[in-house]
Amino acid sequence: AQKITQTQPGMFVQEKEAVTLDCTYDTSDPSYGLFWYKQPSSGEMIFLIYQGSYDQQNATEGRYSLNFQKARKSANLVISASQLGDSAMYFCAMREGEPFNAGNNRKLIWGLGTSLAVNP
Amino acid sequence: GAGVSQSPRYKVAKRGQDVALRCDPISGHVSLFWYQQALGQGPEFLTYFQNEAQLDKSGLPSDRFFAERPEGSVSTLKIQRTQQEDSAVYLCASSLRPTTSPNYGYTFGSGTRLTVV
Repeated sequence: AQKITQTQPGMFVQEKEAVTLDCTYDTSDPSYGLFWYKQPSSGEMIFLIYQGSYDQQNATEGRYSLNFQKARKSANLVISASQLGDSAMYFCAMREGEPFNAGNNRKLIWGLGTSLAVNP
Repeated sequence: GAGVSQSPRYKVAKRGQDVALRCDPISGHVSLFWYQQALGQGPEFLTYFQNEAQLDKSGLPSDRFFAERPEGSVSTLKIQRTQQEDSAVYLCASSLRPTTSPNYGYTFGSGTRLTVV
């Protein structure tokens, strides 16, 4: 079973509008962290935002915010005031066993991604 | 360096050929990961180093894949007798500390795109 599900293969948004990219996750671990990364056509993964499972408030980083609904196991990314440079692939990822896990393996489990196109 | 550097950027290999992919992490970064990203997919974990110790290699798909980080800095991912299914982008990521802070993002390189023909 997929641990990270991104149901939108592709999304379009008009420049300056807001867009929500969906992510649901599956874990039995009460401690986990959720990440969003942006991958432009150049290939590098760019860290956008992080949400810990015990965080009381939704994470925000500039134009990025995370709509974290723990009971529904969803962690949707909201991009406000879209810009042409936001066109890219967006990946949701999860790291299990934190923040209290002092284990050495800190691997990320990834979704399939959503391709976002911002129209001028 | 300022970022994670991977080389070569592109590699075309004939089936059966051995390849070596290099990752130069950010200086001082303790943790180093290798991921494999097939076309149209999300990255899949391959292996993890903490300094020079390879603490997890559970994601390596076969014994043709081998990774090392002998001095705790530069890492090399080697694929022997390449097959067409090995075609993918190989991403390297590093981070400063393995467990101290949960709220950190890894720094990724731009990847090596391997095409096996």
